Amino acid sequence: NAGVMQNPRHLVRRRGQEARLRCSPMKGHSHVYWYRQLPEEGLKFMVYLQKENIIDESGMPKERFSAEFPKEGPSILRIQQVVRGDSAAYFCASSPRTSGAPGELFFGEGSRLTVL
Amino acid sequence: QKEVEQDPGPLSVPEGAIVSLNCTYSNSAFQYFMWYRQYSRKGPELLMYTYSSGNKEDGRFTAQVDKSSKYISLFIRDSQPSDSATYLCAMSPGAGSYQLTFGKGTKLSVIP
Repeated sequence: NAGVMQNPRHLVRRRGQEARLRCSPMKGHSHVYWYRQLPEEGLKFMVYLQKENIIDESGMPKERFSAEFPKEGPSILRIQQVVRGDSAAYFCASSPRTSGAPGELFFGEGSRLTVL
Repeated sequence: QKEVEQDPGPLSVPEGAIVSLNCTYSNSAFQYFMWYRQYSRKGPELLMYTYSSGNKEDGRFTAQVDKSSKYISLFIRDSQPSDSATYLCAMSPGAGSYQLTFGKGTKLSVIP
């Protein structure tokens, strides 16, 4: 039973380029969450998606960031015109439902973005 | 004041020692308290969680919550080199809350 799969694990971009991070949830999970871990900071919630729907994007920066979870395929976190401050580890988590206990939230290994 | 404060360490202990990791918080709405372990370059893995105040034990790990003091602890008995990792505390106001609030994490090294 594969866990939450994220790719790429490492991504290097120059300022102004676009970054696309992908997340495939665990089998049977239809809820996806993205968190960001800035250097020397705790993980911070960004966005919660279900298939074809953004449920809560209250943690997303207002500009340049977008997320989707299409009917087919992985969830994608897209960062346009990256800046050095976007350098961070981006973690995806999934759960089978939102009403479950904390133990039902599983994290992937993260995608580490470095902006030169 | 940050919602969750956690001493980043690093903390270095000899094998077999008892380790105490702590977090303080300011939001009295938090009801669920979690401890995650994160190995280098890996994702957070849930160790255990508690609801409201009290203790919970799982093998060598014990979690304590004191809501009156807004203080939570994780104790590791008979620490092993394999326990070397960063330990993150996290909190949420409800069971289904997906907006976990994390501490910065404490980096622990257990020396053989």
